[in-house]
Amino acid sequence: DGGITQSPKYLFRKEGQNVTLSCEQNLNHDAMYWYRQDPGQGLRLIYYSQIVNDFQKGDIAEGYSVSREKKESFPLTVTSAQKNPTAFYLCASSDKSGYGYTFGSGTRLTVV
Amino acid sequence: KQEVTQIPAALSVPEGENLVLNCSFTDSAIYNLQWFRQDPGKGLTSLLLIQSSQREQTSGRLNASLDKSSGRSTLYIAASQPGDSATYLCAPSSARQLTFGSGTQLTVLP
Repeated sequence: DGGITQSPKYLFRKEGQNVTLSCEQNLNHDAMYWYRQDPGQGLRLIYYSQIVNDFQKGDIAEGYSVSREKKESFPLTVTSAQKNPTAFYLCASSDKSGYGYTFGSGTRLTVV
Repeated sequence: KQEVTQIPAALSVPEGENLVLNCSFTDSAIYNLQWFRQDPGKGLTSLLLIQSSQREQTSGRLNASLDKSSGRSTLYIAASQPGDSATYLCAPSSARQLTFGSGTQLTVLP
């Protein structure tokens, strides 16, 4: 079955560490996205990529970095510069036309 | 910048009721609008997608309408069931990006 796989489901980070969240899709979608969700709030866009080797900042990109070396993969690194990284992170993809988005099951990151 | 408002923020109803969730958005230049469901601690499940040229879409007990000119969409749930309990998110799409509201948290009581 086609879909998006995010791993790990839960991640704990010590202050000052960088961590990388994985996102893989087998839908042959061109565009991929990373969102952050805080309790009681909507999703906010961190980064997006519409084609391999190209990506753009979203609304809250500070303290995050991404790469898009393969069409299927769009990993997100949460750097030590992100002051409040504890949140639920969701990856999504869409085809070139933007017709409908598919979401992964999310990664919950906690700073300890 | 697109802003999305969902009303009510929370709703509790007895099983069997028909209900309406509201979504408003500030920029009417949208490509489409998608309704999602989110269960606690889970990802988003797409329920319905309405193209900007369409007025409504139906799937089973769900019906979503879109009035692009007024910046409004509604999600109608018929004969609600306890399994419908979740947070419902509205997301208009423009410039190939989704903008989300804060959602409506629905509880259907048995």
